Amino acid sequence: GENVEQHPSTLSVQEGDSAVIKCTYSDSASNYFPWYKQELGKGPQLIIDIRSNVGEKKDQRIAVTLNKTAKHFSLHITETQPEDSAVYFCAASKSSASKIIFGSGTRLSIRP
Amino acid sequence: GAGVSQSPSNKVTEKGKDVELRCDPISGHTALYWYRQSLGQGLEFLIYFQGNSAPDKSGLPSDRFSAERTGGSVSTLTIQRTQQEDSAVYLCASSLMSGGSFYEQYFGPGTRLTVT
Repeated sequence: GENVEQHPSTLSVQEGDSAVIKCTYSDSASNYFPWYKQELGKGPQLIIDIRSNVGEKKDQRIAVTLNKTAKHFSLHITETQPEDSAVYFCAASKSSASKIIFGSGTRLSIRP
Repeated sequence: GAGVSQSPSNKVTEKGKDVELRCDPISGHTALYWYRQSLGQGLEFLIYFQGNSAPDKSGLPSDRFSAERTGGSVSTLTIQRTQQEDSAVYLCASSLMSGGSFYEQYFGPGTRLTVT
């Protein structure tokens, strides 16, 4: 069945450094890849998404890349700040009438 | 405007009892999802409603779990004969879905269920 794997499960970086989270998906028909951020005690919130017709998308300090051939996609956060500390989830979906499958999450900690 | 709301925010129940969890999606959102999140874990898909189509129930872990969505709006997730392993945060999300396009899922704050 559909599966999304996410690595690493925890990540600690120095404030100001970059953080990279990687995901792979199993279903080659997947064409929508959102990333969610979850702060303690809250529901996940979309931070950026990418569709299969593009290879990269940027929004200020956040960028996502997609390699459809390898079925890999990644989240890059540059110039990390304390407020970036949270759990990040990648996800994949293959159609507008299909469920979205989430990765297992990455707990990102920013060291001051 | 108002976001996705869920009630109750916390529920403690005894093993074997039935529970009902409620989700009020954002007005006008045609898609509604239920997920389960165990402590420190990822989001486990449970069920998905899209408009008037038959729901995708492929994520429901057992026949003790069921959900309905009345009038295309409010949804109720029911867990019968609760077990301790049902303890988790149950999250609801809604989104627009039209014309074959994807839209952002908006999540509610969740219901923390504890089965004693």
